[in-house]
Amino acid sequence: EPEVTQTPSHQVTQMGQEVILRCVPISNHLYFYWYRQILGQKVEFLVSFYNNEISEKSEIFDDQFSVERPDGSNFTLKIRSTKLEDSAMYFCASRMTETETQYFGPGTRLLVL
Amino acid sequence: AQTVTQSQPEMSVQEAETVTLSCTYDTSESDYYLFWYKQPPSRQMILVIRQEAYKQQNATENRFSVNFQKAAKSFSLKISDSQLGDAAMYFCAYSEAGANNLFFGTGTRLTVIP
Repeated sequence: EPEVTQTPSHQVTQMGQEVILRCVPISNHLYFYWYRQILGQKVEFLVSFYNNEISEKSEIFDDQFSVERPDGSNFTLKIRSTKLEDSAMYFCASRMTETETQYFGPGTRLLVL
Repeated sequence: AQTVTQSQPEMSVQEAETVTLSCTYDTSESDYYLFWYKQPPSRQMILVIRQEAYKQQNATENRFSVNFQKAAKSFSLKISDSQLGDAAMYFCAYSEAGANNLFFGTGTRLTVIP
C-alpha cells in the first residue's frame, strides 16, 4: 500500500541554523500539508499546498518557514533560522482530492539546541 | 472557530474488553468530516476511521466503530475486543468540507492491560 515517507526521521540542529525537512507524498496525491506537534501537545496545522502554491497557512507559519515542491515527488519544509521553540515532531500529509482523507507520514523529530 | 475536545486524557481497558473514547466538537458548519487517528509510540499518525457528517449511518472498521451524534456534536470511538496493539494515543480530528486543515483534539492515551 502506498504511503507518505519523510526524511530524516530525527534531526538535531543548533539554534539559528537552517533545516530542510523532506517528504515524499503518495504519488497520485495533489494536496500536501505540514503539521507539527510539540511534545505533549496537540497536532497543529502549519500549511497546505496545492497546484504549486500555498493554499492556506496558519499563524505559526511565519516568514521563517517556507515550502517547496522542487520536483514531481518531493515536498519540503524549510525553517530558515531555527529557534528553540521549533523543537517538535513535524508531520507531512497528502491527499488526492479535497474530500479525501489526509494520510500522514511517520514524522521528523526536530530538536533545536 | 472550530474546536475539538477530548475530555479523557487517559483511559485503560482490559485485553478483549470494550472501551469508548469520547470526543465533542464545535462548529457552525453542516458539512464536515470527523476522524479518529491513532498514534502509537512510534509517533506515526494512522487513520483509524472517518465519518462524513451527511451520513446518518455510523462508520465501522472491523473492531472500531463510532457513535456519531450530529445534534449533540459528539463523535465517540468504540474499540471492541481490545488488543495489546491498540495501546496508543488517540486523536479526534475535524475538517470542514472543502477545507485544508484538520483540527485536532488533545488526545486520549489508551492503555491495554493484559
